[in-house]
Amino acid sequence: EVQLVESGGGLVRPGGSLRLSCEASESIFSHAWMSWVRQAPGKGLEWVGRSLSKAAGGATDYAAPVKGRFTISRDESKNTLYLQMSSLKIEDTAVYYCSWHTIDRTFNIWGRGTLVTVSS
Amino acid sequence: EIVLTQSPGTLSLSPGERATLSCRASQSVSSNYLAWYQQKPGQAPRVLIYDASSRATGIPDRFSGSGSGTDFTLTISGLEPEDFAVYYCQQYGSSPLYTFGQGTKLEIK
Repeated sequence: EVQLVESGGGLVRPGGSLRLSCEASESIFSHAWMSWVRQAPGKGLEWVGRSLSKAAGGATDYAAPVKGRFTISRDESKNTLYLQMSSLKIEDTAVYYCSWHTIDRTFNIWGRGTLVTVSS
Repeated sequence: EIVLTQSPGTLSLSPGERATLSCRASQSVSSNYLAWYQQKPGQAPRVLIYDASSRATGIPDRFSGSGSGTDFTLTISGLEPEDFAVYYCQQYGSSPLYTFGQGTKLEIK
């Protein structure tokens, strides 16, 4: 089964930037629809954004709280999905998971997550 | 914006019992694109049910989903010790694209 591994989390000041990576164990990004989902400490799950494959048009969609601040991209040659986060806020503190939609409407494969802490 | 409300917030049951978890949507879920996930402490969620009633690959048949429109149910018949976890419902299609419920914690009585 395909494994997803997130990295790049850490401590960042409010207003700062951070880039998360999600590397897949196999070459899936040429056809995979991918999302980022986050979970604040002790809270529920929140969808962050989705990236369609190039074959499906390559569009990205974002949740309202992050639109204009976060950007999803992918590098197929590196089997890696990225989440560029800027103008970070304290409320962006969360574990960030990447997920593969093997069925477009469902989060089928998940990574283990990476923790982002926004604090002064 | 569609909102998913799960009930109860916490469910206390014993192994072997039957669990019934509810997910109610503020508007009709497009094409019944409703999924259920299980999350254990320190782990990523795992999909159990998609399209309201289809079991995901490898999910035991004690897990079943039902419902349509705005009311959906996850039933776990014959609880096993490993089933005690937090469960989330999730919809696809309405704004925002994907929405999760706030979760139901299933705890051992």
